[in-house]
This record gives sequence, structure tokens and C-alpha cells, in this order.
Amino acid sequence: KNQVEQSPQSLIILEGKNCTLQCNYTVSPFSNLRWYKQDTGRGPVSLTIMTFSENTKSNGRYTATLDADTKQSSLHITASQLSDSASYICVVSATNFGNEKLTFGTGTRLTIIP
Amino acid sequence: SAVISQKPSRDICQRGTSLTIQCQVDSQVTMMFWYRQQPGQSLTLIATANQGSEATYESGFVIDKFPISRPNLTFSTLTVSNMSPEDSSIYLCSVKGGPGSYEQYFGPGTRLTVT
Repeated sequence: KNQVEQSPQSLIILEGKNCTLQCNYTVSPFSNLRWYKQDTGRGPVSLTIMTFSENTKSNGRYTATLDADTKQSSLHITASQLSDSASYICVVSATNFGNEKLTFGTGTRLTIIP
Repeated sequence: SAVISQKPSRDICQRGTSLTIQCQVDSQVTMMFWYRQQPGQSLTLIATANQGSEATYESGFVIDKFPISRPNLTFSTLTVSNMSPEDSSIYLCSVKGGPGSYEQYFGPGTRLTVT
């Protein structure tokens, strides 16, 4: 069964600090891994998308890494801002005979405090 | 990118009633997806809505409970029928990016509370 597990469930950090969120997955056949940011009351918004051959991708202060051998990914947030308070969801895509299936993690709830 | 709007943004409904959620996309898309996000849970795909054909439902979801319409390439509705408190959830509409893109765009969601 395809699964995506994220840790920690929740995290509180001071504004300006860095943090790293983790994602472990057992999804096959792997196509790509995505990180989404979901603000309260909003739909998820894509931060990064990585395929098998990519092991790091940045989007501003967000840097995602992917280790396809160990089936792990991380999302590193640098110099956090209050607006980074949100849920961060790891999503892994499996594609089989052209049909794509997404497996969603339950997310990490990040709170930035001033 | 695609801009998706949903109506209503939230609603409180009594058990036994039905609610229809609308999803409008600013571009023509072949497939539209409906997801449910229960409190503290991950997103779960309910069904895929193709224009001109019946929606395809995921395991655990049935057409009688979640009828879907797809009258054209920019619009879809999801009805939550005969609601119970267990249907309290956020319902999200989603579309994929263009050909060759891995992007997937989500609407703002409809927060449903069933009392």
C-alpha cells in the first residue's frame, strides 16, 4: 500500500529561525514528489516538484531535497517569516500505464511566532 | 497556471440535507478532481470528473452519495447527499497543469459542517 508519512506533526519556531520538515514514502512506481503549502482556509499551493533524477530544488527560502534510494524528502525553510505559518503537505505521485495516482501526507503544521 | 474558485466557501447544514458545491476554472481542462480533507487527515480523492462522461469514483465513494456534474470544460459541481456529521470536511476542487506539467492546482475549498 502506498504511504506518505510526515514528521513532525506540528512545529513551533521563532521568526527568523530555520526549520526542516521530513517526508518518508513508500510509493511505487515513483514518478515525482511535491511539497505544498496550505494556509488556513485555503487550498494547497505547490512549492516544489522533484522527479527521480533531481535531489534538490529551491523556491525562494524553501529548499526541498529528495533521496530516491532511501525514499526520503525534506523541506528546509530558511529565515522563517510569520507568513510561513501553514500546513506543509508532502505528496508523492505514482504513474502506472499513464495513470497517475497521488498519495498525500497528513502534513506538518508549522507555526512561526514573533 | 489555473485559477479555481469554489462556492460556497463554507456552509453549516443539517443532517439529512444535501449541499451542492460549485467549482469554476479560468481555463478549459479535460479532467477535474474532487478531494475531501477531513480534520487532521490528508487529502483523499473522491472522484475524477471528465467532461462528457460519467465521473470515475475512488474506492469508498459512490455516485449516490456524491453525484457529480461536468456540463462543460470549465465547470463542475459536487453534491454531498443525505449528509451526516461524518461528512463534515473541507471539499476541494483541483485541476492539472498543461500537457507535460506535473503541476496540480487546487481551489480554496468549501468547509462543510453538518450538525
